[in-house]
Order: sequence, then C-alpha cells, then structure tokens
Amino acid sequence: AQKVTQAQTEISVVEKEDVTLDCVYETRDTTYYLFWYKQPPSGELVFLIRRNSFDEQNEISGRYSWNFQKSTSSFNFTITASQVVDSAVYFCALSELEAGNNRKLIWGLGTSLAVNP
Amino acid sequence: EAEVAQSPRYKITEKSQAVAFWCDPISGHATLYWYRQILGQGPELLVQFQDESVVDDSQLPKDRFSAERLKGVDSTLKIQPAELGDSAMYLCASGRWDTEAFFGQGTRLTVV
Repeated sequence: AQKVTQAQTEISVVEKEDVTLDCVYETRDTTYYLFWYKQPPSGELVFLIRRNSFDEQNEISGRYSWNFQKSTSSFNFTITASQVVDSAVYFCALSELEAGNNRKLIWGLGTSLAVNP
Repeated sequence: EAEVAQSPRYKITEKSQAVAFWCDPISGHATLYWYRQILGQGPELLVQFQDESVVDDSQLPKDRFSAERLKGVDSTLKIQPAELGDSAMYLCASGRWDTEAFFGQGTRLTVV
C-alpha cells in the first residue's frame, strides 16, 4: 500500500488560477515529518516546506500555502494566482522512524503541474 | 548559501564501462542520501549514510553499484559495469537526522 499518495498525476491550469495539490499519507508513528519538494525541468529537487506531526498550523509563504490535517492524514499544497514559473513536478514526502532509530523518507509519485499562459 | 555539490552534471558512458559520481554535502550534515530518478518517476533511494555508516542500502544493486563515505563527509557512488537501464538522474542529498533533505543539482547519466 502506498504510504504517500498523490492522486493527481497531472494538472493543467491557466495562469492566475489557484491550484491545490493533494497529498494523503499513512503512518503509525506519532512523530513524523511531511515535506513538499518542487522539481522544475532542470531536474533539481527544491525543498519547499517541512511540517512536523505536532504542528497543525497552516502555513503561508507568498503565493504558496499548506493545509495540514491530521484527522484526514492530508497535507495539501495550494498555489494562489499560479504563474508559468510554477510549472514543475511537485513531490510530497513523509519521514518516519524505522527500526534501528533510522529516519526514512518516503516519496509520493509526484504531481506534474503545467501552468499555461 | 550552503549547497550540496555534485559532479559531474552530465555523463555519457558506454555500456560495460565504469562510472563514478561525487557528492559533497552541506557542512555539518551527518545524513547523506543517494537517489536514482528515472524520467517521469519519483526518486528511489539507493543508499543512506549516517556519518560514514550505511544505514540503508536495501535498494542498491550491489552486484554493480557501490557507495562509500570514508570520512563521513563527501561520498562517491560507482557503477561497474554500467548497463543501458542505468540511464537516469542520480541525486545526492544531505540533512541532519530529523530535518529536510537538501538536494544537489544531480548527475544525468546516459549509457549508450
């Protein structure tokens, strides 16, 4: 079973539209971390945000906002007034503890966002 | 701003040849990851180091891939012999134990 599910494989919007990328996770840990990364066509993975399991406050950074809801195990990402430069693949990831006290990053399959002019 | 350095950025090699990638993590980051990413897919962890020790190499094809981080700082990933299916982006990342991973620009490998 997928531990990090990004149900939207591809999304296409027109510039200035708002868009929400969904992420649903599954874990038995009480202490875990959630992340969003952006991967533009250049290929580098760019860190966007980290949220720990005890902090359910939503966060806003410019046009980006994140909605973390433990009750539904979701960590959704919204881009307001999208721009062409937002076109990229966006990955959601979960960090949980494994046996041996090792933290492992578990990745979703990514959502490819195309913002058209 | 501190960055994860990777080299080379691009590598073309012939099938059956040996190839090596280098990664220099952000200073002070004990955790280092090597990922492989095939076009259109998510990153796949190959190996994870904590300082100089391997903590996860369960997905590393050990018959042809090897990784080392001898002094717990920079790291090398080697493939010998390379196969056509190894063509991918190889990403290195570093982090502290409980923080986000910061990624380098990656090495795009093409095996011909």
